[in-house]
Amino acid sequence: QQQVKQSPQSLIVQKGGISIINCAYENTAFDYFPWYQQFPGKGPALLIAIRPDVSEKKEGRFTISFNKSAKQFSLHIMDSQPGDSATYFCAASKGRDDKIIFGKGTRLHILP
Amino acid sequence: NAGVTQTPKFQVLKTGQSMTLQCAQDMNHNSMYWYRQDPGMGLRLIYYSASEGTTDKGEVPNGYNVSRLNKREFSLRLESAAPSQTSVYFCASSARGGQGYEQYFGPGTRLTVT
Repeated sequence: QQQVKQSPQSLIVQKGGISIINCAYENTAFDYFPWYQQFPGKGPALLIAIRPDVSEKKEGRFTISFNKSAKQFSLHIMDSQPGDSATYFCAASKGRDDKIIFGKGTRLHILP
Repeated sequence: NAGVTQTPKFQVLKTGQSMTLQCAQDMNHNSMYWYRQDPGMGLRLIYYSASEGTTDKGEVPNGYNVSRLNKREFSLRLESAAPSQTSVYFCASSARGGQGYEQYFGPGTRLTVT
């Protein structure tokens, strides 16, 4: 049973546009929601993360929006750039658990 | 600080051959992980080690064995490789950050089984 569902599987956005990736989770015990970014040929790396006590977190052009009642969270990339082209994974974990449940990933391509 | 290192970077095996993927981290992390990444399937946990001397199965452990040799090293062994094990393998270690555990990934091993 997939605990973190991510959509879309792939996304193409024009340079300067807004990229939006959505995730939904099932387990209400999850309380930590990171996003990982993976460039081709590299391992994933933590991009930004949020806990459910806030509805939004912003770091530069990257924003996580969190809807606890809907059990959904999303990544917004403002002013998308070709250098943002990568695969993005949403994830979730609970409390002191050091294991993370990953979504299946979104391959983002920003057109120059 | 090299972070998480993996060897080899690429490997081609014939069905039935065995091999060991090596992983080491120099960040003094307790927890280490092995994942496989396949197109459309995301990152799937193969095995996990919370500390030296302990290992636990993840989502897809069949066909694999692991050894947590010491705090730094966590190896993954394929005893009899099968074409279904063609994948990219990532090792990771983790540490607790301000909000939760952050995982640090190695560069991956691309394995092809013919």
